[in-house]
Amino acid sequence: GESVGLHLPTLSVQEGDNSIINCAYSNSASDYFIWYKQESGKGPQFIIDIRSNMDKRQGQRVTVLLNKTVKHLSLQIAATQPGDSAVYFCAEIVFSARQLTFGSGTQLTVLP
Amino acid sequence: GAVVSQHPSRVICKSGTSVKIECRSLDFQATTMFWYRQFPKQSLMLMATSNEGSKATYEQGVEKDKFLINHASLTLSTLTVTSAHPEDSSFYICSAREGGRGPVGYTFGSGTRLTVV
Repeated sequence: GESVGLHLPTLSVQEGDNSIINCAYSNSASDYFIWYKQESGKGPQFIIDIRSNMDKRQGQRVTVLLNKTVKHLSLQIAATQPGDSAVYFCAEIVFSARQLTFGSGTQLTVLP
Repeated sequence: GAVVSQHPSRVICKSGTSVKIECRSLDFQATTMFWYRQFPKQSLMLMATSNEGSKATYEQGVEKDKFLINHASLTLSTLTVTSAHPEDSSFYICSAREGGRGPVGYTFGSGTRLTVV
């Protein structure tokens, strides 16, 4: 299916707490799923990806979980910092089409 | 790392005029470039996909005669918004894909804020 523009949900967390951002994806044929961070007035910045045959991948302070049964993706950020405040988007790639399609985003605000 | 330069970062134009936005891959050759449009507090919507030396493929609902895309080289793609109207005001973002690198190979420009008055 196509991603549809939606008004962004928001998530506020205290500095130092863990954050969990969720995303529902649409295409069962996607090869990879990616999380991007977008700061105000800038382009998306790659955070972490996960291949469709995996269910978990860890990076530095971030973990991505993939549940293909319910088409759900999540991004966990450990010890959230003020610099983590941004909009986070999930995206999916079908390599045969070479297209990267964005899903819904979440505005993360880190409170001091 | 891979860098994509997008210019201008901001532009204000009068209704009825045309505006050109450039997207350059600075340190790699981009086999494919993509153009997105983003309205405030919304996600990025893919407008078109362009491959060097061939015509762009536009997404459904995107007017190809209004949003002209030229991908003349492996490092440069341009988007021209023709006869701009206030409803074209938006944030336009390009992405360049470097082949063989998987998801990491998609690098985004910093975006262009277009305001049509």
